Amino acid sequence: DGGITQSPKYLFRKEGQNVTLSCEQNLNHDAMYWYRQDPGQGLRLIYYSQIVNDFQKGDIAEGYSVSREKKESFPLTVTSAQKNPTAFYLCASSPSGLAGEQFFGPGTRLTVL
Amino acid sequence: GQQVMQIPQYQHVQEGEDFTTYCNSSTTLSNIQWYKQRPGGHPVFLIQLVKSGEVKKQKRLTFQFGEAKKNSSLHITATQTTEVGTYFCAGRNNFNKFYFGSGTKLNVKP
Repeated sequence: DGGITQSPKYLFRKEGQNVTLSCEQNLNHDAMYWYRQDPGQGLRLIYYSQIVNDFQKGDIAEGYSVSREKKESFPLTVTSAQKNPTAFYLCASSPSGLAGEQFFGPGTRLTVL
Repeated sequence: GQQVMQIPQYQHVQEGEDFTTYCNSSTTLSNIQWYKQRPGGHPVFLIQLVKSGEVKKQKRLTFQFGEAKKNSSLHITATQTTEVGTYFCAGRNNFNKFYFGSGTKLNVKP
Protein backbone atom coordinates (compact mmCIF):
# COMPACT_ATOMS: atom_id res chain seq x y z
CA ASP A 1 0.00 0.00 0.00
CA GLY A 2 1.46 3.36 -1.00
CA GLY A 3 1.13 6.28 1.35
CA ILE A 4 2.49 8.43 4.11
CA THR A 5 2.85 7.16 7.63
CA GLN A 6 3.29 9.15 10.77
CA SER A 7 3.96 7.68 14.15
CA PRO A 8 2.85 7.69 16.81
CA LYS A 9 -0.73 8.97 16.51
CA TYR A 10 -0.65 10.41 20.03
CA LEU A 11 2.45 11.56 21.86
CA PHE A 12 2.90 12.94 25.34
CA ARG A 13 6.03 14.65 26.57
CA LYS A 14 7.13 16.62 29.58
CA GLU A 15 7.97 20.26 29.18
CA GLY A 16 11.63 20.82 28.38
CA GLN A 17 12.12 17.58 26.48
CA ASN A 18 12.91 17.36 22.79
CA VAL A 19 10.71 15.00 20.80
CA THR A 20 11.03 13.66 17.24
CA LEU A 21 8.01 12.96 15.06
CA SER A 22 8.36 10.40 12.35
CA CYS A 23 7.21 10.80 8.73
CA GLU A 24 7.80 8.16 6.06
CA GLN A 25 6.48 7.97 2.48
CA ASN A 26 6.76 5.25 -0.12
CA LEU A 27 5.24 7.30 -2.93
CA ASN A 28 8.65 8.24 -4.38
CA HIS A 29 7.80 11.91 -3.93
CA ASP A 30 10.58 14.50 -4.03
CA ALA A 31 8.96 17.17 -1.86
CA MET A 32 7.93 16.78 1.77
CA TYR A 33 6.38 19.20 4.24
CA TRP A 34 5.61 19.63 7.92
CA TYR A 35 2.57 21.58 9.06
CA ARG A 36 1.17 22.47 12.41
CA GLN A 37 -2.61 22.69 12.97
CA ASP A 38 -4.15 24.37 16.00
CA PRO A 39 -7.88 24.24 16.83
CA GLY A 40 -9.93 26.49 14.59
CA GLN A 41 -6.94 27.41 12.49
CA GLY A 42 -5.56 26.41 9.15
CA LEU A 43 -2.30 24.64 8.50
CA ARG A 44 0.89 26.57 9.10
CA LEU A 45 4.07 25.51 7.32
CA ILE A 46 6.98 24.63 9.59
CA TYR A 47 9.59 23.25 7.17
CA TYR A 48 9.65 21.89 3.65
CA SER A 49 12.13 19.94 1.56
CA GLN A 50 12.25 19.74 -2.22
CA ILE A 51 15.03 17.17 -2.47
CA VAL A 52 17.22 15.01 -0.29
CA ASN A 53 19.72 16.88 1.88
CA ASP A 54 17.93 20.17 1.33
CA PHE A 55 15.21 21.86 3.35
CA GLN A 56 13.80 25.33 3.86
CA LYS A 57 12.15 27.11 6.77
CA GLY A 58 8.44 27.76 6.59
CA ASP A 59 6.57 30.47 8.44
CA ILE A 60 6.90 29.06 11.95
CA ALA A 61 10.25 27.23 11.99
CA GLU A 62 11.45 28.61 15.33
CA GLY A 63 11.82 25.83 17.90
CA TYR A 64 11.75 23.07 15.27
CA SER A 65 14.40 21.21 13.30
CA VAL A 66 14.30 18.69 10.45
CA SER A 67 16.57 16.45 8.42
CA ARG A 68 16.21 14.88 4.98
CA GLU A 69 18.88 12.21 4.69
CA LYS A 70 16.66 9.86 2.71
CA LYS A 71 14.02 10.58 0.09
CA GLU A 72 11.37 8.65 1.97
CA SER A 73 11.95 10.13 5.42
CA PHE A 74 11.50 13.63 6.85
CA PRO A 75 11.57 13.58 10.67
CA LEU A 76 10.63 16.68 12.67
CA THR A 77 12.17 17.47 16.05
CA VAL A 78 10.19 19.68 18.40
CA THR A 79 12.79 21.23 20.67
CA SER A 80 12.41 22.66 24.13
CA ALA A 81 12.76 26.11 22.56
CA GLN A 82 9.28 25.80 21.00
CA LYS A 83 7.07 27.79 23.37
CA ASN A 84 3.70 26.22 22.56
CA PRO A 85 4.42 22.74 21.19
CA THR A 86 1.04 21.16 21.93
CA ALA A 87 -0.64 20.80 18.54
CA PHE A 88 -1.63 18.46 15.73
CA TYR A 89 1.34 17.88 13.38
CA LEU A 90 0.76 16.88 9.76
CA CYS A 91 3.34 15.65 7.31
CA ALA A 92 2.72 15.80 3.58
CA SER A 93 4.49 14.94 0.36
CA SER A 94 4.14 16.07 -3.22
CA PRO A 95 5.17 14.44 -6.50
CA SER A 96 5.75 17.65 -8.42
CA GLY A 97 7.84 19.78 -6.16
CA LEU A 98 5.93 22.65 -4.69
CA ALA A 99 3.38 22.87 -7.48
CA GLY A 100 1.57 19.59 -7.13
CA GLU A 101 -1.11 18.04 -5.03
CA GLN A 102 -0.08 17.34 -1.46
CA PHE A 103 -0.71 13.95 0.12
CA PHE A 104 -1.09 14.08 3.89
CA GLY A 105 -0.26 11.56 6.56
CA PRO A 106 -2.70 10.78 9.40
CA GLY A 107 -1.00 13.24 11.75
CA THR A 108 0.53 13.10 15.23
CA ARG A 109 -1.19 14.82 18.13
CA LEU A 110 1.53 16.06 20.49
CA THR A 111 0.68 17.06 24.04
CA VAL A 112 3.32 18.61 26.23
CA LEU A 113 2.52 18.39 29.92
CA GLY B 1 3.02 39.06 5.27
CA GLN B 2 1.34 36.76 2.81
CA GLN B 3 -2.07 35.64 3.98
CA VAL B 4 -4.98 33.71 2.62
CA MET B 5 -8.20 34.66 4.36
CA GLN B 6 -11.11 32.24 4.30
CA ILE B 7 -14.72 32.86 5.27
CA PRO B 8 -16.96 31.91 6.87
CA GLN B 9 -15.34 30.09 9.76
CA TYR B 10 -18.44 27.94 10.34
CA GLN B 11 -21.50 27.11 8.28
CA HIS B 12 -24.49 25.14 9.48
CA VAL B 13 -26.93 24.06 6.77
CA GLN B 14 -29.89 21.77 6.43
CA GLU B 15 -29.36 18.79 4.18
CA GLY B 16 -30.23 19.84 0.66
CA GLU B 17 -29.21 23.47 1.11
CA ASP B 18 -26.28 25.02 -0.71
CA PHE B 19 -22.92 25.93 0.81
CA THR B 20 -20.18 28.32 -0.27
CA THR B 21 -16.76 29.11 1.18
CA TYR B 22 -14.54 31.94 -0.03
CA CYS B 23 -10.80 32.53 -0.04
CA ASN B 24 -9.06 35.81 -0.57
CA SER B 25 -5.34 36.52 -0.95
CA SER B 26 -3.53 39.80 -0.47
CA THR B 27 -1.28 38.99 -3.43
CA THR B 28 -1.62 37.23 -6.76
CA LEU B 29 -1.45 33.46 -6.56
CA SER B 30 0.16 31.05 -9.02
CA ASN B 31 -2.47 28.46 -8.24
CA ILE B 32 -4.94 27.53 -5.56
CA GLN B 33 -5.79 24.12 -4.18
CA TRP B 34 -8.78 22.94 -2.19
CA TYR B 35 -8.71 20.26 0.50
CA LYS B 36 -11.29 18.59 2.70
CA GLN B 37 -10.61 17.39 6.22
CA ARG B 38 -13.14 15.09 7.85
CA PRO B 39 -13.50 15.30 11.65
CA GLY B 40 -10.51 13.56 13.22
CA GLY B 41 -8.88 13.06 9.84
CA HIS B 42 -6.27 14.62 7.64
CA PRO B 43 -6.66 16.96 4.65
CA VAL B 44 -7.45 15.28 1.35
CA PHE B 45 -6.84 17.02 -1.97
CA LEU B 46 -9.94 17.96 -3.97
CA ILE B 47 -8.75 20.08 -6.87
CA GLN B 48 -6.22 22.58 -8.18
CA LEU B 49 -7.01 25.74 -10.16
CA VAL B 50 -4.33 27.44 -12.19
CA LYS B 51 -5.82 29.74 -14.82
CA SER B 52 -7.39 33.14 -14.33
CA GLY B 53 -11.18 32.83 -14.25
CA GLU B 54 -11.02 29.02 -14.22
CA VAL B 55 -14.12 27.09 -13.20
CA LYS B 56 -14.06 23.37 -12.47
CA LYS B 57 -16.84 21.04 -11.39
CA GLN B 58 -16.87 17.77 -9.51
CA LYS B 59 -20.46 16.50 -9.38
CA ARG B 60 -22.21 18.99 -7.06
CA LEU B 61 -19.00 20.89 -6.22
CA THR B 62 -18.04 23.98 -8.23
CA PHE B 63 -14.65 25.62 -7.84
CA GLN B 64 -13.78 29.05 -9.17
CA PHE B 65 -10.55 31.02 -9.45
CA GLY B 66 -10.93 34.78 -9.76
CA GLU B 67 -9.87 36.80 -12.78
CA ALA B 68 -7.14 38.52 -10.80
CA LYS B 69 -6.02 35.17 -9.30
CA LYS B 70 -6.46 36.57 -5.80
CA ASN B 71 -9.68 34.88 -4.78
CA SER B 72 -11.40 31.57 -5.08
CA SER B 73 -14.61 29.89 -4.01
CA LEU B 74 -16.02 26.42 -3.47
CA HIS B 75 -19.76 25.96 -3.86
CA ILE B 76 -21.65 22.79 -2.99
CA THR B 77 -25.17 22.41 -4.36
CA ALA B 78 -27.67 20.47 -2.27
CA THR B 79 -25.32 19.40 0.50
CA GLN B 80 -25.42 15.91 1.92
CA THR B 81 -24.56 14.75 5.44
CA THR B 82 -21.53 12.93 4.09
CA GLU B 83 -20.03 16.28 3.17
CA VAL B 84 -19.48 17.45 6.73
CA GLY B 85 -15.94 18.48 7.48
CA THR B 86 -13.60 21.42 7.15
CA TYR B 87 -12.79 22.78 3.71
CA PHE B 88 -9.45 24.50 3.23
CA CYS B 89 -8.02 26.51 0.38
CA ALA B 90 -4.25 26.66 -0.11
CA GLY B 91 -2.76 29.34 -2.29
CA ARG B 92 0.68 29.14 -3.83
CA ASN B 93 2.47 32.44 -4.37
CA ASN B 94 5.10 33.30 -6.93
CA PHE B 95 7.85 32.21 -4.54
CA ASN B 96 6.56 28.63 -4.44
CA LYS B 97 5.22 28.76 -0.90
CA PHE B 98 1.78 27.48 0.08
CA TYR B 99 -0.49 29.37 2.45
CA PHE B 100 -3.54 27.64 3.84
CA GLY B 101 -6.73 29.45 4.71
CA SER B 102 -8.12 28.93 8.22
CA GLY B 103 -10.83 26.64 6.85
CA THR B 104 -14.62 26.61 6.84
CA LYS B 105 -16.20 24.00 9.04
CA LEU B 106 -19.39 22.65 7.43
CA ASN B 107 -22.08 20.98 9.50
CA VAL B 108 -25.04 19.44 7.69
CA LYS B 109 -28.20 18.62 9.61
CA PRO B 110 -30.24 15.71 8.30
